[in-house]
Amino acid sequence: NAGVTQTPKFQVLKTGQSMTLQCAQDMNHEYMSWYRQDPGMGLRLIHYSVGAGITDQGEVPNGYNVSRSTTEDFPLRLLSAAPSQTSVYFCASSYSRANEQFFGPGTRLTVL
Amino acid sequence: AQKVTQAQTEISVVEKEDVTLDCVYETRDTTYYLFWYKQPPSGELVFLIRRNSFDEQNEISGRYSWNFQKSTSSFNFTITASQVVDSAVYFCALSVGPTGGFKTIFGAGTRLFVKA
Repeated sequence: NAGVTQTPKFQVLKTGQSMTLQCAQDMNHEYMSWYRQDPGMGLRLIHYSVGAGITDQGEVPNGYNVSRSTTEDFPLRLLSAAPSQTSVYFCASSYSRANEQFFGPGTRLTVL
Repeated sequence: AQKVTQAQTEISVVEKEDVTLDCVYETRDTTYYLFWYKQPPSGELVFLIRRNSFDEQNEISGRYSWNFQKSTSSFNFTITASQVVDSAVYFCALSVGPTGGFKTIFGAGTRLFVKA
């Protein structure tokens, strides 16, 4: 099993550009989440999904879109990148909210 | 509202000292789950322990122990005889139910430095 994979590992964008961060898991987990990690602020929940076709907003959803068309994939779209979105992004999955989450290796995004 | 507070931003200890990391949570759900994760300098997030709201038994795993007290809404983590390899950021997390939207939120983390 590959676990949770994220691509790319690093990305530099210019203000206003859009992009998609990819996340995939091969553990047949229903529950998937996107977090951003900023110094001193821990992991903040952006969006999450409790199953294919179901998504909901987390603590900091503005500027991001998600969709969950399959159990395996949960891409995060930045619509118009801003410098405030410079961060490390982690995707996570778990069997349910009652179970521990497995995290991807992270994507380090810089917006100039 | 649901919230996780880790009031200790950074802790520095000398090897072999015991250290306790505090975690206080808020939720209106009666069924919830608490977790601790470790993030070493390499950056990956590693699961340490899970507790559900109905299980207040303390747990010990080697040098690690956890104290869950519903009366004070706390889930504290103690490392006994700390080692340099324990240096990391430690996160407490809360997974909530219907009143919180079935999501998992994290505290801001506590950075632990263990000096040789």
